[in-house]
Amino acid sequence: GAVVSQHPSWVICKSGTSVKIECRSLDFQATTMFWYRQFPKQSLMLMATSNEGSKATYEQGVEKDKFLINHASLTLSTLTVTSAHPEDSSFYICSARDPSRGHGYTFGSGTRLTVV
Amino acid sequence: KNEVEQSPQNLTAQEGEFITINCSYSVGISALHWLQQHPGGGIVSLFMLSSGKKKHGRLIATINIQEKHSSLHITASHPRDSAVYICAVIGSADYQLIWGAGTKLIIKP
Repeated sequence: GAVVSQHPSWVICKSGTSVKIECRSLDFQATTMFWYRQFPKQSLMLMATSNEGSKATYEQGVEKDKFLINHASLTLSTLTVTSAHPEDSSFYICSARDPSRGHGYTFGSGTRLTVV
Repeated sequence: KNEVEQSPQNLTAQEGEFITINCSYSVGISALHWLQQHPGGGIVSLFMLSSGKKKHGRLIATINIQEKHSSLHITASHPRDSAVYICAVIGSADYQLIWGAGTKLIIKP
């Protein structure tokens, strides 16, 4: 199946700084990527849908200015957490539809963000 | 009530035991994913299935579409199987992913 590479796998940053997380589709073109966040002891929740060449679609309650999503090419989507706060510490994961598996998805391995 | 329910939430077993993790869902689906999240956080996709049964090594996944239920089995469990196992369904209406909350499995040596 198709592969999505997500980097970094973990990052520690200081409060007030920005952090960029990348997801690359390695062997296919992903016109749409999905970004999720995992809260403690809860399911992963969709944050936003990233569309190549256009603005991302954010879920209700997700701050657009805080979580900047860029999908400038068919193989790269980025999530930037701006002016990070300790409350932003979480696990973030991206996914894309796997064209080789019908409606199935392929997943990045996730990024553990810790803001100190 | 969540659309995807996993049980149990937590499971501790001895090495060698046969493990079953369950996933029930209330929506129509086109397929279902099982994923493994390691203690460090990294996620690995284990299976995608829409009917029947799949096997990979010591892992077996089954799904019953009529009963809206899937199970993940681990045979001859090992401490390295300790992880969180997550079920995620693909809704048939909009093909969006709906995630279960995960089952935390600990295998003791």
